[in-house]
Amino acid sequence: DAKTTQPTSMDCAEGRAANLPCNHSTISGNEYVYWYRQIHSQGPQYIIHGLKNNETNEMASLIITEDRKSSTLILPHATLRDTAVYYCIVRVDEDSSYKLIFGSGTRLLVRP
Amino acid sequence: ETGVTQTPRHLVMGMTNKKSLKCEQHLGHNAMYWYKQSAKKPLELMFVYSLEERVENNSVPSRFSPECPNSSHLFLHLHTLQPEDSALYLCASSQVLSYNSPLHFGNGTRLTVT
Repeated sequence: DAKTTQPTSMDCAEGRAANLPCNHSTISGNEYVYWYRQIHSQGPQYIIHGLKNNETNEMASLIITEDRKSSTLILPHATLRDTAVYYCIVRVDEDSSYKLIFGSGTRLLVRP
Repeated sequence: ETGVTQTPRHLVMGMTNKKSLKCEQHLGHNAMYWYKQSAKKPLELMFVYSLEERVENNSVPSRFSPECPNSSHLFLHLHTLQPEDSALYLCASSQVLSYNSPLHFGNGTRLTVT
């Protein structure tokens, strides 16, 4: 089962920041939080990941609370092309591999 | 171009057919994955290969048979499928034992079983 909970859907206006929340209250100390998005009929696209510290890259910022029980993905200036399903995932490490267990994600609609 | 290429993009097959899905990664990774995405459902992990060895089989029916001949190629052999097996099948790759290596996905094969 997925170890995260996300709102089913959200919307925001084009050009504004989109803040997507995620709860992962059972996360373990060495488990990473990953964010992916999926545009219709394409494979999931990696966005960002983090462990404890906030992270930023060219696509987004990831804010992780100090207790690590929740995080927020921030798209600073949303565009229409950011309309997609966004998945927050806790990475599960095995002995010789790792896996990502996807939940239902948040459907983000960016309005013109 | 995602670095992970899946063929074919679309496949229609009858329940008595045998077909194979192919995945190739050009990223130098050493782990590969099959996921299934049915309509209105989350992605389901099917198989994981790490260093060419199968390390995960998530209670997948035997009519799905994976094969990983080397670290760059992954196949999913299909036989005697059911209509409910119609779905988007996604392949992914990663670098194991690397905390900074995310999974990279292909764009999937859309399978329809008639």
